[in-house]
Amino acid sequence: ETGVTQSPTHLIKTRGQQVTLRCSSQSGHNTVSWYQQALGQGPQFIFQYYREEENGRGNFPPRFSGLQFPNYSSELNVNALELDDSALYLCASSKEIPHAGGRETQYFGPGTRLLVL
Amino acid sequence: AQKITQTQPGMFVQEKEAVTLDCTYDTSDPSYGLFWYKQPSSGEMIFLIYQGSYDQQNATEGRYSLNFQKARKSANLVISASQLGDSAMYFCAMSLEYGNKLVFGAGTILRVKS
Repeated sequence: ETGVTQSPTHLIKTRGQQVTLRCSSQSGHNTVSWYQQALGQGPQFIFQYYREEENGRGNFPPRFSGLQFPNYSSELNVNALELDDSALYLCASSKEIPHAGGRETQYFGPGTRLLVL
Repeated sequence: AQKITQTQPGMFVQEKEAVTLDCTYDTSDPSYGLFWYKQPSSGEMIFLIYQGSYDQQNATEGRYSLNFQKARKSANLVISASQLGDSAMYFCAMSLEYGNKLVFGAGTILRVKS
């Protein structure tokens, strides 16, 4: 149990539409990251938020945007959807690894599968 | 730039045997972390094991161990006593920032045979 939840689980949109994906993590998890995982590939880092500010961005266009809220929830917004945006979108929260001297890793939610037609 | 390479698209292992999943990495930064994740068909990414670049000993976590060879820039995952439930996709990942902004490899599909 990672304590990270995502909604919805599945979503179908058409090209050109806009979509909002949601993520919720536990209290005290100040950092949230979003990843895109296309079919058959490893996850790709989209961006990260720390205390409601963007704290790093991967190689994704500006139509991918995000928000982090004070209640540790987060949103990923994608405008002008393209067919290639079809993917599994993963939200991750940074948390200490047990018995690892304070090191952290990303604990992932179950993901949202987006299909763009 | 960081890069993770997993050269084995798929692996088979007999139940109860050990299996090694290969991972090589590339970075010029002396401080980094290496991670392995498991992704069952349901899609969730499950954290398995972590190795820091300055750690002197190989990481172990239950049936998982990480064979860290710094000079060769490899971080292979060893799963001992394979179980049917180990069948999944396995990803090697790296971070320069204390576990944030992970860079993933392409993954290896592991199938455990009974």
